[in-house]
Amino acid sequence: NAGVTQTPKFQVLKTGQSMTLQCAQDMNHEYMSWYRQDPGMGLRLIHYSVGAGITDQGEVPNGYNVSRSTTEDFPLRLLSAAPSQTSVYFCASTNIKGQYGYTFGSGTRLTVV
Amino acid sequence: AQTVTQSQPEMSVQEAETVTLSCTYDTSESNYYLFWYKQPPSRQMILVIRQEAYKQQNATENRFSVNFQKAAKSFSLKISDSQLGDTAMYFCAFMKHVFYFGTGTSLTVIP
Repeated sequence: NAGVTQTPKFQVLKTGQSMTLQCAQDMNHEYMSWYRQDPGMGLRLIHYSVGAGITDQGEVPNGYNVSRSTTEDFPLRLLSAAPSQTSVYFCASTNIKGQYGYTFGSGTRLTVV
Repeated sequence: AQTVTQSQPEMSVQEAETVTLSCTYDTSESNYYLFWYKQPPSRQMILVIRQEAYKQQNATENRFSVNFQKAAKSFSLKISDSQLGDTAMYFCAFMKHVFYFGTGTSLTVIP
């Protein structure tokens, strides 16, 4: 099983550019989330989804868009990158109750210059 | 929103010794799940141990065990016989509808 596949692993963007971080899981998990990790701040929730067609905002949604057209895929879009979005991004998935914890992707280190 | 607090930003332990990482959380829920995750320098997030709040028995996974005090809203992680490979960032997490993470504890195992 591939688990959670997150691409790319590294990315450098110029301020104002847009991009999409890809996330796919093959475990038939209903629940998928995007987090950003910054030093001293732990993991902060950006957006999450409890099923296809359903998304909701987390703690830090501004500047990010998501959609969930299939159970497997949950892409994160940066519409106009800003230096404040320099971070490590993680996608994670779990079943709807979450009792077994998340399976995480390998992360994307994004630098906005 | 629930909050998860890890009050020890950094800790160190001698190889083969025991160390305890602290975690407290704030919630009005009665049923929920708690987790400890390990993040080594590779950046990969690895589930260490999980606890279901309705179970009074503390979870154990090999050298890792928890001290779950529901009334005190405390969920500490004990690592016994520390090994060099335990050097990592450790995150405590709470789950009820949404996952909330603490800010992490950086653990260094000293040879």
